[in-house]
Amino acid sequence: DAGVTQSPTHLIKTRGQQVTLRCSPKSGHDTVSWYQQALGQGPQFIFQYYEEEERQRGNFPDRFSGHQFPNYSSELNVNALLLGDSALYLCASSLVGARFTEAFFGQGTRLTVV
Amino acid sequence: GESVGLHLPTLSVQEGDNSIINCAYSNSASDYFIWYKQESGKGPQFIIDIRSNMDKRQGQRVTVLLNKTVKHLSLQIAATQPGDSAVYFCAENTGRRALTFGSGTRLQVQP
Repeated sequence: DAGVTQSPTHLIKTRGQQVTLRCSPKSGHDTVSWYQQALGQGPQFIFQYYEEEERQRGNFPDRFSGHQFPNYSSELNVNALLLGDSALYLCASSLVGARFTEAFFGQGTRLTVV
Repeated sequence: GESVGLHLPTLSVQEGDNSIINCAYSNSASDYFIWYKQESGKGPQFIIDIRSNMDKRQGQRVTVLLNKTVKHLSLQIAATQPGDSAVYFCAENTGRRALTFGSGTRLQVQP
């Protein structure tokens, strides 16, 4: 049983460009959350998707948007990239209503903006 | 491998010793706390959790202590092993949808 898979693992973009990151949740999970982890810091919550809708959002600008597909997979889109967007982007999947103990993180996508 | 954090506080212990990692949290309304372990190149991995109505919970080789009076959380690892070397994060939850993570502590286990 595959866990949470994210693609790509590494990505280099130029300032001002747009990027799309992908996440496939663990089998049986229907909820996907995205986190940004800057180097040397803990992850910061971006948003969560369930039933193809954004349920909650953290303190991130509108340049960060997402989508969830009927198969529960999800995308994170970032427009007008800034150098400060360089970070590890983590996806976590869970089952709606489940405790956080049952949330699983992917290995992340390392985004570098130059 | 990918480095999780380059400038984190570091706790260095000898193999076989007990480790204590501390965390201060900010929100007195938090009702749920979790410790995560993050190895280089990997996402956070659940270790143990505790609800706010408890002050201690034990797992396999790990114990979490919660002191709500001073908003302090600690993770104790017994008989620390080289495989325990990683960055450890505490996280708190005030609702069901988002976790707020602390800044992390790097644990280095010396053989």
